[in-house]
Amino acid sequence: GQQLNQSPQSMFIQEGEDVSMNCTSSSIFNTWLWYKQDPGEGPVLLIALYKAGELTSNGRLTAQFGITRKDSFLNISASIPSDVGIYFCAGQIKGTYKYIFGTGTRLKVLA
Amino acid sequence: DVKVTQSSRYLVKRTGEKVFLECVQDMDHENMFWYRQDPGLGLRLIYFSYDVKMKEKGDIPEGYSVSREKKERFSLILESASTNQTSMYLCASSPRGGSGNTIYFGEGSWLTVV
Repeated sequence: GQQLNQSPQSMFIQEGEDVSMNCTSSSIFNTWLWYKQDPGEGPVLLIALYKAGELTSNGRLTAQFGITRKDSFLNISASIPSDVGIYFCAGQIKGTYKYIFGTGTRLKVLA
Repeated sequence: DVKVTQSSRYLVKRTGEKVFLECVQDMDHENMFWYRQDPGLGLRLIYFSYDVKMKEKGDIPEGYSVSREKKERFSLILESASTNQTSMYLCASSPRGGSGNTIYFGEGSWLTVV
């Protein structure tokens, strides 16, 4: 099935640093979602975005819905060791039930 | 909080066995989904249901069937398990509507077919 381009694929950062990742698509979406998945667990919703240009925060996390509706980014500020995991985006195709998922960004935080 | 519960977290089954994976959601969502997740392949949709007794095939329905007799419950059935069905299975739900919906996932079911 179709997947969204997500970058970077993986990153190692120092505790306290900020992190940025993004997703791009050739399709227009009406919803962008960001999830975190720990090993062996299901994805947990972090942030949901419903409007082009929308900027939403959840604690140290901030995500934006791109103006073109074809991209989104997620920022994590002042990372901590428990931020380790896989982050992935999802976009919902307008007027459908279909969600397309990103390839994931594996984050490792070095204490 | 939305809760999607998958009844079995870890299963080991033999080739040829019939396998049932159960999923229950408590948010009165109309839509329910079954995905499988494999390294390098991401999330792939197996089946989708938009109402009781209604279902649609996803991207990889071969070897699977589903049942939705009640709104809150969506079951995935492997009629005759095979080793290439060893995977992590994720159930999800979302409210009806074509726009602005959030999809919520369960904890996942790890199935190993030997």
